[in-house]
Amino acid sequence: NAGVMQNPRHLVRRRGQEARLRCSPMKGHSHVYWYRQLPEEGLKFMVYLQKENIIDESGMPKERFSAEFPKEGPSILRIQQVVRGDSAAYFCASSPLFLAEESTDTQYFGPGTRLTVL
Amino acid sequence: GENVEQHPSTLSVQEGDSAVIKCTYSDSASNYFPWYKQELGKRPQLIIDIRSNVGEKKDQRIAVTLNKTAKHFSLHITETQPEDSAVYFCAGTSGTYKYIFGTGTRLKVLA
Repeated sequence: NAGVMQNPRHLVRRRGQEARLRCSPMKGHSHVYWYRQLPEEGLKFMVYLQKENIIDESGMPKERFSAEFPKEGPSILRIQQVVRGDSAAYFCASSPLFLAEESTDTQYFGPGTRLTVL
Repeated sequence: GENVEQHPSTLSVQEGDSAVIKCTYSDSASNYFPWYKQELGKRPQLIIDIRSNVGEKKDQRIAVTLNKTAKHFSLHITETQPEDSAVYFCAGTSGTYKYIFGTGTRLKVLA
């Protein structure tokens, strides 16, 4: 059973370019979450998506960042016009359907994409 | 807003000793508390979790305790081994899906 897949693992971009990060959830998982981790820091929630729906994007900057999870294919986190401050590790996680409305599901993380902006 | 504090930020123990990492959370509605281990350059891996209807959970050398009244939870690792060296993150939840992570504890087990 393949885990959460992310690609590319490493991405180098120059300031002003676009970065596209891809995430394929675990088989059977329909919920995807994106987190950002700065060096020596914890993970910060960015966005939560279900198929074709953005449920919560409260942790994502309103400009330059967007995310999608189409009916077919991986989830994409897109960063336009990257700046040096975007350099970080971006982790995707997935979870199955909620066990119950009041319950929280375990999230399983992918290997991350390390973005370096020159 | 919701917050999870984690202590200590670094911890060194001799091989075979126990290690304890503590976290406090602010959202009284939090109902799920996972712990992740992250080795350098790797993904966070779930090592143990606890739900709010349970006070303690154990899995071999790892245990987690939860005190809902005080809003804190702790990770206990007994008989530490060099391969336990990593950064450990606690998390609480905000609502049913948002994880709020602590800032991490760098554990070093000295051989």
